[in-house]
Order: sequence, then C-alpha cells, then structure tokens
Amino acid sequence: EIVMTQSPATLSVSPGERATLSCRASQSISSNLVWYQQKPGQAPRLLIYGVSTRATGIPARFSGSGSGTEFTLTISSLQSEDFAVYYCQQYNNWPRTFGQGTKVEIK
Amino acid sequence: EVQLVESGGGLVKPGGSLRLSCAASGFTFSSYSMNWVRQAPGKGLEWVSSISSSGRYIYYPDSVKGRFTVSRDNAQNSLYLQMNSLRAEDTAVYYCARDASSSESYYYYWGQGTLVTVSS
Repeated sequence: EIVMTQSPATLSVSPGERATLSCRASQSISSNLVWYQQKPGQAPRLLIYGVSTRATGIPARFSGSGSGTEFTLTISSLQSEDFAVYYCQQYNNWPRTFGQGTKVEIK
Repeated sequence: EVQLVESGGGLVKPGGSLRLSCAASGFTFSSYSMNWVRQAPGKGLEWVSSISSSGRYIYYPDSVKGRFTVSRDNAQNSLYLQMNSLRAEDTAVYYCARDASSSESYYYYWGQGTLVTVSS
C-alpha cells in the first residue's frame, strides 16, 4: 500500500498570503496525484488532477507541482473561501490512498 | 448536470448489515467506473470500493474486503454498497463518487454523503 503523508497538519495563514502544502508518497506514483478541498459539512471538491491541472472552475491562484514522490499544492493569495482542509490522493496503485489532510486556518 | 444522491444510511448495531444506494443522473452511468469513499467523524478520507463501468472489475481495501460488496445496476443508474458484519470503526459518512473519465480514475463528482452509525 502506498502511504501518502501530508505536511503540515495545520497551516495558519493570513488572508492574502501564500500557502504551501506538501504531500509525499511512500513510493513513486508518477503523475497520478490529485488534490481535493473540503469545507465543513460538505463533500470534497476536486481541485487539481494529474499533479498540476486545475479542475473546471478552479481559480488560477491554486497550482500544483511535483513528480515521483514529492508534491506541492500552492495557493498564491489566500481568500476567505480557501480556508478548508486539503487532501492529496494517489490513483497510481490499488488500494487508492489519501493523505491525512492539511487544515488551512486563518491566522 | 451530474448528480449523485446517496441513501440508506442510519443506525445499526455491531454485527448488523446495511445497504447503501447511490442514484446517478446527468451522465451516461454505464460508461463510468464508480466508487465509495468514507469519512469517519472528524477524520480523513478513506477509499472503500471501486467498480468498473461493466461491473467486471471490483476493488476493495483490506479493511472492508470480505464484509462489503459493491454492485451496480446500469439500467437503473444506481450504485450499491452492501455492508455486512459492521463494526464501530465503520461509522462514517459514505460518499458515492464518479471517476473523472473512462481512463482517469480519480473522483471528479461526489454525492453529499450518507451517515452510517454503528453502535449498540
């Protein structure tokens, strides 16, 4: 099983600042990585697929990068609606596995 | 518009059974693999099962293998999850999710979830 490790667990950021979230896979997953955003009481929403491609309707302030085992989600200038929990997930191998999540909170 | 609507959640005793349903609309259901993902209260996301568009290929994590059975009815545009021998650790919101495409198996669309509580 591929273990996905996200860091940090919690990120405190002021509105307008940049946020950088990390995700590490225990073995190579090629480019088969996605990022989801989840707000309280809501289902997850797809943000990024294939490491760096934004899903439909996702603002350009969200960007993804990385390859192999190290991946990053960057939010260039945090807006109020961006405070949420973010999960990475690999779809290279079975079982599909998620990171434990990074909570982005208001500083 | 793609819609996924889960139902069937509720309170069940340990060792009991429950069947979840997911009604799909707004797309050609028979063309997509479908999935169940769960989230225990206050915890992260856990993949539970996947079924190919025809139902021929099915996958589970070890945590539910042998206890959960996923199935689909393409004529009824419906996905199911039969859960047997339920344990307290199966308590979670269960989401139905659709693959992005026939060749991309990440989850582009999600339902709103249905809560399963396993407790005596």
